[in-house]
Amino acid sequence: ETGVTQTPRHLVMGMTNKKSLKCEQHLGHNAMYWYKQSAKKPLELMFVYNFKEQTENNSVPSRFSPECPNSSHLFLHLHTLQPEDSALYLCASSQEPLGGGGYTFGSGTRLTVV
Amino acid sequence: GEDVEQSLFLSVREGDSSVINCTYTDSSSTYLYWYKQEPGAGLQLLTYIFSNMDMKQDQRLTVLLNKKDKHLSLRIADTQTGDSAIYFCAESTGEAAGNKLTFGGGTRVLVKP
Repeated sequence: ETGVTQTPRHLVMGMTNKKSLKCEQHLGHNAMYWYKQSAKKPLELMFVYNFKEQTENNSVPSRFSPECPNSSHLFLHLHTLQPEDSALYLCASSQEPLGGGGYTFGSGTRLTVV
Repeated sequence: GEDVEQSLFLSVREGDSSVINCTYTDSSSTYLYWYKQEPGAGLQLLTYIFSNMDMKQDQRLTVLLNKKDKHLSLRIADTQTGDSAIYFCAESTGEAAGNKLTFGGGTRVLVKP
């Protein structure tokens, strides 16, 4: 399998549930990202990992907890979410230093919090 | 600071050319990109341009860069219904910015038959 794969594609969860989003890249990249995309709002960068180390956390609430066990895998652990957290969550990867390849995105996980 | 702006919406007739515009503020940008997002999908890299170029052509796509005005455009020739999507421009300022892309808000392109 190639590119950036995200699972699950769709997720419905209650506000008291705990779930995890998974992202896997097969491109040999060394940086990975989580973005949130809500309706009528710009893409929001949530977390950045370079060589498995978190280098950016854009004031994301603690109910979102990222994990990067290696350069190929990235998780987003979710707990006690709110309805306003419903969105498309996109994972991306890139090779540092950034060149013409830019970021490669996965297809996203459509999350609905009920 | 970094800021990338795009118009929200563009409607175009099938077969015509589409031009999507973008302005950015960081004069040290090294690469600028155009991404396409179809419904229910992630962002797909369409093309990019290095900051020392002023034009790049790739089949139906033409990218124009005006560094003086910090203006980027994407022209799609012979627009097809399959080109209906949201188009995002993005800039990278290279290593100094920690490998981060800054995206515009996206332009929704609707192609009418």
